[in-house]
Amino acid sequence: GENVEQHPSTLSVQEGDSAVIKCTYSDSASNYFPWYKQELGKRPQLIIDIRSNVGEKKDQRIAVTLNKTAKHFSLHITETQPEDSAVYFCAAGDSGGGADGLTFGKGTHLIIQP
Amino acid sequence: DGGITQSPKYLFRKEGQNVTLSCEQNLNHDAMYWYRQDPGQGLRLIYYSQIVNDFQKGDIAEGYSVSREKKESFPLTVTSAQKNPTAFYLCASSINYRGNTEAFFGQGTRLTVV
Repeated sequence: GENVEQHPSTLSVQEGDSAVIKCTYSDSASNYFPWYKQELGKRPQLIIDIRSNVGEKKDQRIAVTLNKTAKHFSLHITETQPEDSAVYFCAAGDSGGGADGLTFGKGTHLIIQP
Repeated sequence: DGGITQSPKYLFRKEGQNVTLSCEQNLNHDAMYWYRQDPGQGLRLIYYSQIVNDFQKGDIAEGYSVSREKKESFPLTVTSAQKNPTAFYLCASSINYRGNTEAFFGQGTRLTVV
């Protein structure tokens, strides 16, 4: 089955700086890579996703890049703000069969220092 | 207002008791999932259901049971056989069971053994 590794587990950046979270996956059949943000005590919510037919996708201050050859994808947050503080999860999915849905990384706790 | 709803938000269980966590969705989704979240462990899959009247064990099914008698509902029972049930439980749904679509999460149930 799929295995998703996520790094770092904790990331502290100064407000206004950029943050990068990286994930690797094992199953070359995976073709859908979403990122979820979970604020303290709340539900995870999708913030951006990318499919294997594109290498990069951007939405305002967040972007995701995908390298299918190396089997890794990354989340980039620019001009970080206090409200970006949360736990971020990456995930990988396969349209070809994965009946158990998405496989999630263990999460990154992003801390924005004022 | 469409969405996925979990209840209760907080639940306390005595040693040796079974408890049932509710999960209801009105998104007309076929697939539903239960995850357990512990600090630093990410989201671990307990059970999943591809379609009504069907469900499969996930990675950590021991001590848990589920049913899927209606498309909208996927309750999780934490039995006395689960040795360490204190955790945050998240229910999710997606339009189909393939791993290439967004998963929508409920707001979670925090279960504590007293």
